[in-house]
Amino acid sequence: GNSVTQMEGPVTLSEEAFLTINCTYTATGYPSLFWYVQYPGEGLQLLLKATKADDKGSNKGFEATYRKETTSFHLEKGSVQVSDSAVYFCALPYQAGTALIFGKGTTLSVSS
Amino acid sequence: KAGVTQTPRYLIKTRGQQVTLSCSPISGHRSVSWYQQTPGQGLQFLFEYFSETQRNKGNFPGRFSGRQFSNSRSEMNVSTLELGDSALYLCASSQETDTQYFGPGTRLTVL
Repeated sequence: GNSVTQMEGPVTLSEEAFLTINCTYTATGYPSLFWYVQYPGEGLQLLLKATKADDKGSNKGFEATYRKETTSFHLEKGSVQVSDSAVYFCALPYQAGTALIFGKGTTLSVSS
Repeated sequence: KAGVTQTPRYLIKTRGQQVTLSCSPISGHRSVSWYQQTPGQGLQFLFEYFSETQRNKGNFPGRFSGRQFSNSRSEMNVSTLELGDSALYLCASSQETDTQYFGPGTRLTVL
């Protein structure tokens, strides 16, 4: 079945630093790929997604490119802010259907 | 549109009891999925329902069950609660596309 491996944290950065969180996957075919974010005390929110190979998903300054050659979907942001402090999850479909499997999550802490 | 709602938000139970959690999806969404989130295991998929039929099931014991009603609302039930069932239970809904929208979760504590 499908699986996802995500870089584990915590990741601690200073404001305006560059962020990369690695995510690799194993899947049958070319499923959609997702990044979700969970801010402290809040529920899970979709951050961005890519539906086919070479697609780039972007939102709130975050970007991730669907790389089928390296089976990767790394999350990047050029300049993080304190408000980006959260837990980030990489995800892809479990099987057919819309249910997802998630990576372990990466906790990001940004200090000013 | 209103988002995904889950009730109750918090629950405290004792070992051996059973519990039922409820999820109301976004209007028009026919798929509902349930997840368990714990610090040790992270986010784990429980089951998915679509049009009242279970479409996918994760690797959880039979004590965990669910159902979906004709209005797409869903419930999950955990029988014979164990301490390890303490977790945040998340519900998510979606349309035919594969983007899931999550509710705030139900925090279950088993004593």
